Amino acid sequence: KAGVTQTPRYLIKTRGQQVTLSCSPISGHRSVSWYQQTPGQGLQFLFEYFSETQRNKGNFPGRFSGRQFSNSRSEMNVSTLELGDSALYLCASSSGQGAETQYFGPGTRLLVL
Amino acid sequence: AQSVTQLDSQVPVFEEAPVELRCNYSSSVSVYLFWYVQYPNQGLQLLLKYLSGSTLVESINGFEAEFNKSQTSFHLRKPSVHISDTAEYFCAVSTNSGYSTLTFGKGTMLLVSP
Repeated sequence: KAGVTQTPRYLIKTRGQQVTLSCSPISGHRSVSWYQQTPGQGLQFLFEYFSETQRNKGNFPGRFSGRQFSNSRSEMNVSTLELGDSALYLCASSSGQGAETQYFGPGTRLLVL
Repeated sequence: AQSVTQLDSQVPVFEEAPVELRCNYSSSVSVYLFWYVQYPNQGLQLLLKYLSGSTLVESINGFEAEFNKSQTSFHLRKPSVHISDTAEYFCAVSTNSGYSTLTFGKGTMLLVSP
């Protein structure tokens, strides 16, 4: 099976812009979770989508949003970018059943200037 | 809410030496425990997990971890490390809430030198 893919891998934006990141889960997986990784805060949970519905959300401002399509692919959007949004954004897919293993993609590295 | 503490941000060891990476967690409900590894410029890969049953779990590349409920710990060990084990290791917990959400520790960078 193909693994989790994320596009783009690298992105440079300026403050105030918005950005959309994409994640394609492993075939058959219905859950996609997004995490932000920074040197200071480590790995923090953003949100999880399951069958096109957001079913869990972390403690991030409303500028961070996401959606999931009927084929389980997911996008996350960050509006009005701030310097502090520079991070590695990881998505993970799983069957969505509790403690099933989450499989991570390689991440999208976002740099905000 | 759950939290995970990885006591060491960096652990330097020599090749073929044993290593232990420490992980403690806090939770008011039962948890599942995971160790993930991240190599440079890559995503996270699952190393091993504890869901239930035997408290000692092993990975295919020689790592093992033991769940200790009384000490709320899930330390990762390897009896003999290789240069290729150099990476960042993350301990994580989730609950049986039905969600897939993982709460991660800050990570421990394992530096193996010849």
